[in-house]
Amino acid sequence: QKEVEQDPGPLSVPEGAIVSLNCTYSNSAFQYFMWYRQYSRKGPELLMYTYSSGNKEDGRFTAQVDKSSKYISLFIRDSQPSDSATYLCAMSPNTGGFKTIFGAGTRLFVKA
Amino acid sequence: NAGVTQTPKFRVLKTGQSMTLLCAQDMNHEYMYWYRQDPGMGLRLIHYSVGEGTTAKGEVPDGYNVSRLKKQNFLLGLESAAPSQTSVYFCASSSPSSGRTATGELFFGEGSRLTVL
Repeated sequence: QKEVEQDPGPLSVPEGAIVSLNCTYSNSAFQYFMWYRQYSRKGPELLMYTYSSGNKEDGRFTAQVDKSSKYISLFIRDSQPSDSATYLCAMSPNTGGFKTIFGAGTRLFVKA
Repeated sequence: NAGVTQTPKFRVLKTGQSMTLLCAQDMNHEYMYWYRQDPGMGLRLIHYSVGEGTTAKGEVPDGYNVSRLKKQNFLLGLESAAPSQTSVYFCASSSPSSGRTATGELFFGEGSRLTVL
């Protein structure tokens, strides 16, 4: 079993829909939870970050962490065609980077 | 504002050939990493470095070597390429307290696509 599980999709939604992306994990030592967005033929870029449990909102994006269930989510409101990308969850026990574990990524298509 | 630059962007090798991927960062980050990305597997860490002159193995180090002679550069070498090394390779850098929220945010290059025939 992988340390971080993420449904690879693809997920196709109409413009304006609410998108829910999720990951589960098994390592209770994870404290930092991140979502990276990766456009086609590009490198990943950090989209959202959460430390420990709770919610964090940034514009149309909301990240949620439920450590008791070992489950994290990314919600995208009013999705736009420009949101079409692969979304990778990532988590780490510290800020060292070298212990960051990535999910496989979910491909999202937002249709105009 | 270059960030992390990888060269070359594309390369085709024959089995048994050798090559080196170069990564350069201009953000003065202490840490640098090499990942490979394969369909359904996500990003897997090959090797990393926490400072000039230091390297360490990641999750999938076999068949690769690295060197970090200068703080801003991190080289990934394949001594004898195999078809299983066909992948997209990403270099990244970070600092323990870098980024917007001191998460050790990883800054990635645009990737190097390697095909081994």
